[in-house]
Amino acid sequence: DAMVIQNPRYQVTQFGKPVTLSCSQTLNHNVMYWYQQKSSQAPKLLFHYYDKDFNNEADTPDNFQSRRPNTSFCFLDIRSPGLGDAAMYLCATSRVGILNTEAFFGQGTRLTVV
Amino acid sequence: KQEVTQIPAALSVPEGENLVLNCSFTDSAIYNLQWFRQDPGKGLTSLLLIQSSQREQTSGRLNASLDKSSGRSTLYIAASQPGDSATYLCAGYNFNKFYFGSGTKLNVKP
Repeated sequence: DAMVIQNPRYQVTQFGKPVTLSCSQTLNHNVMYWYQQKSSQAPKLLFHYYDKDFNNEADTPDNFQSRRPNTSFCFLDIRSPGLGDAAMYLCATSRVGILNTEAFFGQGTRLTVV
Repeated sequence: KQEVTQIPAALSVPEGENLVLNCSFTDSAIYNLQWFRQDPGKGLTSLLLIQSSQREQTSGRLNASLDKSSGRSTLYIAASQPGDSATYLCAGYNFNKFYFGSGTKLNVKP
């Protein structure tokens, strides 16, 4: 089945140690998103790629970076994780430019910072 | 910037009850409205998509409506079951982005 896959499901990292989260899709969607979700809060958009064009949200800390080497893969890099970065990170895709644009999500990566 | 509010934040009902979850947004210029379900520690599962030209969508026991003029959407769940217990989030779409509410946490008691 076509889907959005995030790896790993759970990630434990040390304070200040760089970490990378991975997302892949088989839907061939042109847009990929990274959201941060903390407990009982709305998912917060960090950035998105429209094809190869990177779009950063104004309030996304510089500590967060992203790469999209091809249509199928997108990575979230946290350069120096702090305790406040512990959260669920959600990857989503959509096909923008059609009437029924909808978001498809992966299962998320739960990040713990120790 | 689009702000999305969901009321109530939490809801507990006995099994079999019909219920309504509410979603309101500040900018009526949304294009589509999508409802999701999130189980604890999991990602988001899409339930219903209402396109800009539509006013409602139905899937099984779920019915979602959209009134762009008032900036509101509702999710109606008929004959609730314990398996419906989860957090329900709405998201408005415009300008290539999805804007989320913080969800309604639903508990259906057997």
